[in-house]
Formats: sequence, structure tokens, C-alpha cells
Amino acid sequence: AQRVTQPEKLLSVFKGAPVELKCNYSYSGSPELFWYVQYSRQRLQLLLRHISRESIKGFTADLNKGETSFHLKKPFAQEEDSAMYYCALTVGYGKLTFGQGTILTVHP
Amino acid sequence: DTGVSQNPRHKITKRGQNVTFRCDPISEHNRLYWYRQTLGQGPEFLTYFQNEAQLEKSRLLSDRFSAERPKGSFSTLEIQRTEQGDSAMYLCASSYSYEQYFGPGTRLTVT
Repeated sequence: AQRVTQPEKLLSVFKGAPVELKCNYSYSGSPELFWYVQYSRQRLQLLLRHISRESIKGFTADLNKGETSFHLKKPFAQEEDSAMYYCALTVGYGKLTFGQGTILTVHP
Repeated sequence: DTGVSQNPRHKITKRGQNVTFRCDPISEHNRLYWYRQTLGQGPEFLTYFQNEAQLEKSRLLSDRFSAERPKGSFSTLEIQRTEQGDSAMYLCASSYSYEQYFGPGTRLTVT
């Protein structure tokens, strides 16, 4: 069975500080990992996909198969980064399995 | 085409009534997914279609829930004999590869 764990429900940082949102997964095969973000009153949108290895809005995420983790990082948080962040996993083109989400608040 | 659309955006119904939601995917996307999200939780998978074929259904999807995607275009999700526990945000997503694109959701409140 697939499972995604985001251990922090809430994360608060000050503007300019580094931020790391943790994500651990369990799946025996080779999943696709994603980070989705939901800003206030907006729809869920894709932030990052592990295979693309891009940096979006200054965020990066590295898949660590040994630790089964896919933590999201940004070196200098901005107030506009305040949102709900979900880590998600899929196998093939099927369903996404989401974590419970982390609410990130960036204080001025 | 501005993305996945869902109608209605909000639905308030009395317990025992039937409700139907519609999802219009991005036009070139052949896969369509339904999820349910309750407060404080991540979205949970309900079912998905590839073209008009329903390929997977979650155990969460009781017999009161049915979904269709006639002609592989829009999809409908019907809940019969609604219960208060059905109150949630119902999300639709579509894709043609690994990335899924979400609609704004339909918020259902069962009173």
C-alpha cells in the first residue's frame, strides 16, 4: 500500500529564513513524487515533480530513495509562500496518494 | 480552455436527497480523477477514468456513489441518499501524463 506522511501540520518561519517541509513515503516500487500547493481561496496546483528536477518559485525537492523522503526546501522564504503544501505520490498514471498537508506561514 | 471546471461550486442538500456534480476536464486530457477532501485532511482518491472506461474505484466509494464519463469528455459524480458524513469538498482532476490538474472543487454540505 502507498502512504505519504507529512509530520508537521503547521510550520512558521520569518521572511528570509530557510524553510524545509518534510515528506516521507512508503512504497516498495518506483513512485512519482510531487509537491502540490494551495494558496488561500485558490485551487490545488502542481508545484514540483521529482523527475523534472526543476526549481519553481525558488523551491527544490530531492528524492532520497534510501530514506524514502522528498523534502521541499527554499533557502529564503517569502510572505507569498504562505499556503498549504501537500506531498503526493503516484504509480503509473493512476491515483495520487496525498499526505495530510503542512500549513506554511511566513511572517514579515 | 482555462482549466478544469466543476459545477456547482457549492451544494447544500438535506440528508436523504440525491446530488450530482459535474466536471469538465482540460480538453486534450484523457484521464479524469475524482477525490474527496475533508477538513484538515489531504485529498482522498475516489475513482478515475481513462477515456470513458472507469479503471479504478476506491473502497471509500460506497454503493451510493456512482460516476460516469460518457464519450470520454465530462464526468458526473452522483451521490444517492446523502448522509451527513458525505459533507466534504469534491475535487476533480485531469491529466494526459503524470501531472494532474485540479478543478476548484464542489463543496457539499448535507444538513
